[in-house]
Amino acid sequence: KAGVTQTPRYLIKTRGQQVTLSCSPISGHRSVSWYQQTPGQGLQFLFEYFSETQRNKGNFPGRFSGRQFSNSRSEMNVSTLELGDSALYLCASSVGTGVIQPQHFGDGTRLSIL
Amino acid sequence: AQTVTQSQPEMSVQEAETVTLSCTYDTSESDYYLFWYKQPPSRQMILVIRQEAYKQQNATENRFSVNFQKAAKSFSLKISDSQLGDAAMYFCAYRISSLGEDMRFGAGTRLTVKP
Repeated sequence: KAGVTQTPRYLIKTRGQQVTLSCSPISGHRSVSWYQQTPGQGLQFLFEYFSETQRNKGNFPGRFSGRQFSNSRSEMNVSTLELGDSALYLCASSVGTGVIQPQHFGDGTRLSIL
Repeated sequence: AQTVTQSQPEMSVQEAETVTLSCTYDTSESDYYLFWYKQPPSRQMILVIRQEAYKQQNATENRFSVNFQKAAKSFSLKISDSQLGDAAMYFCAYRISSLGEDMRFGAGTRLTVKP
């Protein structure tokens, strides 16, 4: 069974640009969560989608947005990129919602802002 | 604020020895789950072990076990018979049911395994 797939693996952008990251969950998983990982702030929750609906959102500015498609694939968009957005963005999927569902993580997308 | 604290930024263990990684958390909730994740240089976060807060029995997964002290809000990870492949960043995390899928992570402990 294929794991969580994130594309692209690496991305370099400049300030002011926008970026879209993609996440394909494990087949059969309907919940997708996004996290930002930086050396200074560690792992921080961005948002979580289930059945195309955003269920929960972390404390990030409106420049960070996401969506989920009917096949459970999810995209995350960051507009007007800032230097501080440089990070590893991790996607995790689970079968459904609820705390008992273990999350399976992808390899992440390393975003670098110049 | 609900936080997770890992007081050991780095730990080192000799191969085949035992090491314990510390984790404390702060929450007023009673229904939550605790997790230890491992992140090797490959970057992928791998679930090592999890514990339901309502269960008193400590979770065990092969060489990995936890010492869950609910009153003290402590959730340490013990790795027995350490192997070179155990070298990684280890993150303690918890998820509260009332917050849906919001997982809170600690800052991580980098474990080095010496041959």
